[in-house]
Formats: sequence, structure tokens, C-alpha cells
Amino acid sequence: GAVVSQHPSRVICKSGTSVKIECRSLDFQATTMFWYRQFPKQSLMLMATSNEGSKATYEQGVEKDKFLINHASLTLSTLTVASAHPEDSSFYICSARDPLLAPDTQYFGPGTRLTVL
Amino acid sequence: AQKVTQAQTEISVVEKEDVTLDCVYETRDTTYYLFWYKQPPSGELVFLIRRNSFDEQNEISGRYSWNFQKSTSSFNFTITASQVVDSAVYFCALSGNTGKLIFGQGTTLQVKP
Repeated sequence: GAVVSQHPSRVICKSGTSVKIECRSLDFQATTMFWYRQFPKQSLMLMATSNEGSKATYEQGVEKDKFLINHASLTLSTLTVASAHPEDSSFYICSARDPLLAPDTQYFGPGTRLTVL
Repeated sequence: AQKVTQAQTEISVVEKEDVTLDCVYETRDTTYYLFWYKQPPSGELVFLIRRNSFDEQNEISGRYSWNFQKSTSSFNFTITASQVVDSAVYFCALSGNTGKLIFGQGTTLQVKP
């Protein structure tokens, strides 16, 4: 149980392109999902908390207009990197909590590696 | 403020050696959770263990064991008889009242054959 998927796993795009990343909970309903960013050889940094049916809560320093988050259903959250630039290149990972299995544990997706040329 | 410190940046051992990964945390919350995750080269974070602040019992799962000591705010992770497949980055993390996960900087473990 508690399987989280992400799509795509890898994206290479030109500067100025918008990129959408999907995060799905496959075998449970997740009222809360999280989006993280990880630079090479560094730890994970929380970008935002995504709640189903309401606006996402962004961490300090994260641009809301740059990183658009939508949590339209209990199994899907999307992160759109608007007008991506090379400095947005990173590893993006989502996580979700299964409120029935383990409400305090986050299960992570496999991540999306974004490269902006 | 909450903080997780993994002082060991990189550890290299030879297969079959035992290895301990250190984790020290800071929090003012009375109720909190501690976690260990494994991140292999593929990038996915694999959940290993969750421990709540009221349960100081040590836990063993196969070759893995965890030692939680509130007196020293530590939650160390030991791999017994390490194997090459154990090579990965290991993260210790803390979750308190906010529900957010605070990660340590990670320890890169290299197990050589």
C-alpha cells in the first residue's frame, strides 16, 4: 500500500516553456500532498503543501506564480513550472499521506528530473 | 525551531561491516515523529521507519536497527552486515506540530564489495 507515482520521470525543455508534473496516489486517497525540490547532493526542501479542494500553502521564498499547484482530486496533485528557466532545473519530488494507513507518514513518488536548456 | 543534523556527510565501508548513521534533532514540540528514508541512485525516497516521541523502544528489522534516545535527542540507524545494495543516501527527518517534514542533510553510504 501507499504507492505514489509521478509523471513524467524526466523532462528536458527549452527556456520559457511551462512544464506540468503530476503526482498521484495509486492505492489511497490523499487529502494532503507535498512538493519538494532537491538540488544535486543536497537535501529536500519543501516547496508547498497541497490540500485537496483548497489553495496550496507555499513555503517562504517560493514563488506562487512560478510554481502553480493544483490538487483537484483526492488522488492527483499537479505542479506547473511556469516559463521555466535554467535555474529551475532540479529534481522535483512529491509525497502524500495516507490518512488511514499512517496519517503522520509521507510516502514519496519517484521524482521528476527537470532540465531547462 | 526544528532542526535535524546528520553530521556524517559520507561513509564508506566494506561489505559485511556494520555501520551506524547518526541523527540528532532539535524540537520544542512534545509530540513529534522521527523518520529514516533511503534514497538510492534512482532518486526515489524509500520509507524505512517512523518512530513517535513517546516510544523509545529500539527497533530491529532484519539487518536494520534503530536506537532512539530522547535524553540525547538522537535517532541513530545501524545496518548490520552491510551489502552493496545498501549504498544510497540516507535521510533522517523530523515532523512536529506543523506536520511538515524537516530533513537532515543526508549521509551518503558507500558499501564496497
